[in-house]
Amino acid sequence: KAGVTQTPRYLIKTRGQQVTLSCSPISGHRSVSWYQQTPGQGLQFLFEYFSETQRNKGNFPGRFSGRQFSNSRSEMNVSTLELGDSALYLCASSRDGANQPQHFGDGTRLSIL
Amino acid sequence: AQSVTQPDIHITVSEGASLELRCNYSYGATPYLFWYVQSPGQGLQLLLKYFSGDTLVQGIKGFEAEFKRSQSSFNLRKPSVHWSDAAEYFCAVGGPGGGADGLTFGKGTHLIIQP
Repeated sequence: KAGVTQTPRYLIKTRGQQVTLSCSPISGHRSVSWYQQTPGQGLQFLFEYFSETQRNKGNFPGRFSGRQFSNSRSEMNVSTLELGDSALYLCASSRDGANQPQHFGDGTRLSIL
Repeated sequence: AQSVTQPDIHITVSEGASLELRCNYSYGATPYLFWYVQSPGQGLQLLLKYFSGDTLVQGIKGFEAEFKRSQSSFNLRKPSVHWSDAAEYFCAVGGPGGGADGLTFGKGTHLIIQP
């Protein structure tokens, strides 16, 4: 079956702009989690959506938000972009939750100029 | 708060030699433990997981890991590495309480395979 699909694979933005990233989970998976990966901080949990509701949230500012649609597809939005937001953003899905084995997409590489 | 420490940033192993990657965790109850592998430009792939039961767990690609509660460790092992095993390896911890903090990952160990 198809894996987790993230689009786009690469994005270049400038400071102050906003960006929306998309994630299509594995069919049947209701939980979608987002992670930020940087060389300095490693992998950090952003938030989890389950059945269209944000269920868990990591320690990130309110500029980072997301939503989930009825088909379990999820979007992540970052407003007022800062240089430090440059990172690989990974989406992961599972059947039941953020603490279950996660299936990861290949990520969206976001570069802020 | 939960945390994971992977003491080795880089490890170099000769092809065919055995491998052990270290992972120490901090968690207030019985943890869920995972090992993931990441190849350049790709996402993470689950190698194996521990939830409960037998403390020696088998995973894909010939990997295994042993949960030692007394040492708060979950080390990954492979008896004979292949050049294709060169990648970044991440240990992660989560909890049975619904995943309020998601998975907490270690900083990773970069595995280099010498011919």
